[in-house]
Amino acid sequence: QQQVKQSPQSLIVQKGGISIINCAYENTAFDYFPWYQQFPGKGPALLIAIRPDVSEKKEGRFTISFNKSAKQFSLHIMDSQPGDSATYFCAASPSGTYKYIFGTGTRLKVLA
Amino acid sequence: DTAVSQTPKYLVTQMGNDKSIKCEQNLGHDTMYWYKQDSKKFLKIMFSYNNKELIINETVPNRFSPKSPDKAHLNLHINSLELGDSAVYFCASSQGWTGELFFGEGSRLTVL
Repeated sequence: QQQVKQSPQSLIVQKGGISIINCAYENTAFDYFPWYQQFPGKGPALLIAIRPDVSEKKEGRFTISFNKSAKQFSLHIMDSQPGDSATYFCAASPSGTYKYIFGTGTRLKVLA
Repeated sequence: DTAVSQTPKYLVTQMGNDKSIKCEQNLGHDTMYWYKQDSKKFLKIMFSYNNKELIINETVPNRFSPKSPDKAHLNLHINSLELGDSAVYFCASSQGWTGELFFGEGSRLTVL
């Protein structure tokens, strides 16, 4: 299956809280899992990415957790800030292809 | 200096018309893409070119014709526009198939 299922569709978090967005896939050929952040009126921009040989990757306040056996990965935003309010997309890319499959997006709002 | 630039940013046109969107990247990447983002924010790949050769052509109506005159440019021409073509079209580029996708700011097409 070439789908990436993303949840929740929207998320409201208080400033300083933890935002968690989940994605699941079925295609075991996927081997690159990026997260993209999109602000209104802008194109998506790479936030952080992981490959299946590691279970976690952290960059600043952003962490990807990867569970290969469950075919799931998630984005954790620690100490969420109002400036993090954006739409977040997970994605997956099958090995040896140029085809990035995007999740349906999560609209995050962080309240001040 | 904008990495991936698209023109125009906005298009408003009548059904049945033909329109073009242009994209240029100055990153030296070898692969360029067109993505469509619908009103629900769903991002779907339409086409991809690697070194001016078409490598991905999703199930897109024949009314859509991409053209890559060189590695740095990818244009999209749409014939006989329909209401359902209204969307934001994003150009993107990457170096190879595992590279980060760099998106332009999008071209919002509205068909009346």
